[in-house]
Amino acid sequence: DTAVSQTPKYLVTQMGNDKSIKCEQNLGHDTMYWYKQDSKKFLKIMFSYNNKELIINETVPNRFSPKSPDKAHLNLHINSLELGDSAVYFCASSQPGGLAGGETQYFGPGTRLLVL
Amino acid sequence: AQKVTQAQTEISVVEKEDVTLDCVYETRDTTYYLFWYKQPPSGELVFLIRRNSFDEQNEISGRYSWNFQKSTSSFNFTITASQVVDSAVYFCALSEAGGTSYGKLTFGQGTILTVHP
Repeated sequence: DTAVSQTPKYLVTQMGNDKSIKCEQNLGHDTMYWYKQDSKKFLKIMFSYNNKELIINETVPNRFSPKSPDKAHLNLHINSLELGDSAVYFCASSQPGGLAGGETQYFGPGTRLLVL
Repeated sequence: AQKVTQAQTEISVVEKEDVTLDCVYETRDTTYYLFWYKQPPSGELVFLIRRNSFDEQNEISGRYSWNFQKSTSSFNFTITASQVVDSAVYFCALSEAGGTSYGKLTFGQGTILTVHP
């Protein structure tokens, strides 16, 4: 019955590798997001997709590429991993209402990425 | 640009004390939304409350209450009779409506609350 799920929960990898994190939501929401939480707990948005279309792309290196095969899934692929990519990555989803923005976002459990 | 400031980095209280977590925000929009999320030691982000900019009524939910004051751009969160299970990082967040924000949440730095038995 998990609303927003992410896999894997933990990811330990070497510098230079390519990895993917998967996110799925069963809430029927149209909008999905990726956020990054750094070691100081600061949360910052990376991407947002609405109905498989990219809406928000914050200043994120090109090595990060989101992919949305359908509106229930938003995956994050990271190329050439660097030490600074170590963080917790959260997926979230929301259902936009009458106004664009402002709806509650529900978060997945997070994926803890450690780059060695 | 939107900004959220949680000036209290860490707060430590003893069980049953009341505690208030401060949140101050900046936005140029007249329509916006404010949120509080809780991140317990297990790491997930738990939604607590959502408020729109047109509704300044304070809200109470059990031991939790929120005070929204547009005049001071603040949205403070009070826990009454704190319990050890309240120990967590609490985030205040802001979302602007419309434009290119499209639901983007801007988070404060978080306040680490530790409740001692």
